Amino acid sequence: SQQGEEDPQALSIQEGENATMNCSYKTSINNLQWYRQNSGRGLVHLILIRSNEREKHSGRLRVTLDTSKKSSSLLITASRAADTASYFCGGAGGGNKLTFGTGTQLKVEL
Amino acid sequence: NAGVTQTPKFQVLKTGQSMTLQCAQDMNHNSMYWYRQDPGMGLRLIYYSASEGTTDKGEVPNGYNVSRLNKREFSLRLESAAPSQTSVYFCASSESWVAYQPQHFGDGTRLSIL
Repeated sequence: SQQGEEDPQALSIQEGENATMNCSYKTSINNLQWYRQNSGRGLVHLILIRSNEREKHSGRLRVTLDTSKKSSSLLITASRAADTASYFCGGAGGGNKLTFGTGTQLKVEL
Repeated sequence: NAGVTQTPKFQVLKTGQSMTLQCAQDMNHNSMYWYRQDPGMGLRLIYYSASEGTTDKGEVPNGYNVSRLNKREFSLRLESAAPSQTSVYFCASSESWVAYQPQHFGDGTRLSIL
């Protein structure tokens, strides 16, 4: 079973706009991670937020976590064409075993 | 710095054939993982090795076996391939099994079973 469900499944925006994608998960986690996957490539780690954190920033990325709602959001500000990719959230409940969601496909158009 | 290397990149098998997917990491990581990715399903964990000498089942282990050959290498074997195992297989590694460790992924093996 999938730990996380991303929403929306697909998102198309113009370069310079902000992109927001959401992730909901089912069971308790000790941290939630976001990854990017470019077409034909493996996943690349973007950011990790611990269960006792509510918000975290890294460059143009902003992640929030609401453990009471079992949800997280990833905001990419000032999107670029190079941000076109699929984005996945993964929740870690025990040890470092991640359970991933189904992903959001982001397309940033020039 | 190669990171996580998977071989082969592509493979076509016939139903019933066997195959071993190879994975090696050069980051001195203790933990390694095998996932499969199917359209619309995200990644699902097949097996993992928290440390050299240990392996454990993930979410979808049926039809697969693994071997942690040494600290660097973690292989995935399909003993009798089935069409349902057509997928993209990813190997990953992390510094340790302790929580809060990012995972580093290879670029995958695209496997088709006819």
